Amino acid sequence: DAGVIQSPRHEVTEMGQEVTLRCKPISGHNSLFWYRQTMMRGLELLIYFNNNVPIDDSGMPEDRFSAKMPNASFSTLKIQPSEPRDSAVYFCASSYAGGQGTGELFFGEGSRLTVL
Amino acid sequence: AQSVTQLDSQVPVFEEAPVELRCNYSSSVSVYLFWYVQYPNQGLQLLLKYLSGSTLVESINGFEAEFNKSQTSFHLRKPSVHISDTAEYFCAVSTYTDKLIFGTGTRLQVFP
Repeated sequence: DAGVIQSPRHEVTEMGQEVTLRCKPISGHNSLFWYRQTMMRGLELLIYFNNNVPIDDSGMPEDRFSAKMPNASFSTLKIQPSEPRDSAVYFCASSYAGGQGTGELFFGEGSRLTVL
Repeated sequence: AQSVTQLDSQVPVFEEAPVELRCNYSSSVSVYLFWYVQYPNQGLQLLLKYLSGSTLVESINGFEAEFNKSQTSFHLRKPSVHISDTAEYFCAVSTYTDKLIFGTGTRLQVFP
């Protein structure tokens, strides 16, 4: 079975440019999470969706960040305009919350973003 | 709100030695507890979990963790580590709402 698929795996861009990260969750999963990992701050939850609806976006750093989930098989995380401090590895994860959360997440391999 | 504290940022150990990675949590409600492992340039993978029942849980590769409610701990142990266990290990907690909160991670470095 295919796992969580993220693209691109690596992105190098210049400050001020728009960045779009993509995620395809595991088929049948109804929760999707975006995390950011840096050396300084560790693993931070940015936003999560349940049944395509954003449930908690309190971790989104600022208005430059936005996330969408137009359907159950696709999500995007957009940064506009990007800044050097956005450089990090961004992970997408999915799970099945069948009415009783257990927190078992399945992670993609991450998108490594470098903003020059 | 829940929180997780991993007391050691790095743990160096020689191959075949025992190891313990410490994790403490804080929560006012019942929790589920997890250990995830991250190998270099990869995403996180579930290592083991405690949902209910027996307080001692085991992974397929020899790790175990014990849920201690009175001490609010979920320490990870292995009696004999291998070079291939070198990775970063994350403790995590969630509640009924399915939101997972991670600790800051412990880098386990196994030396020959």
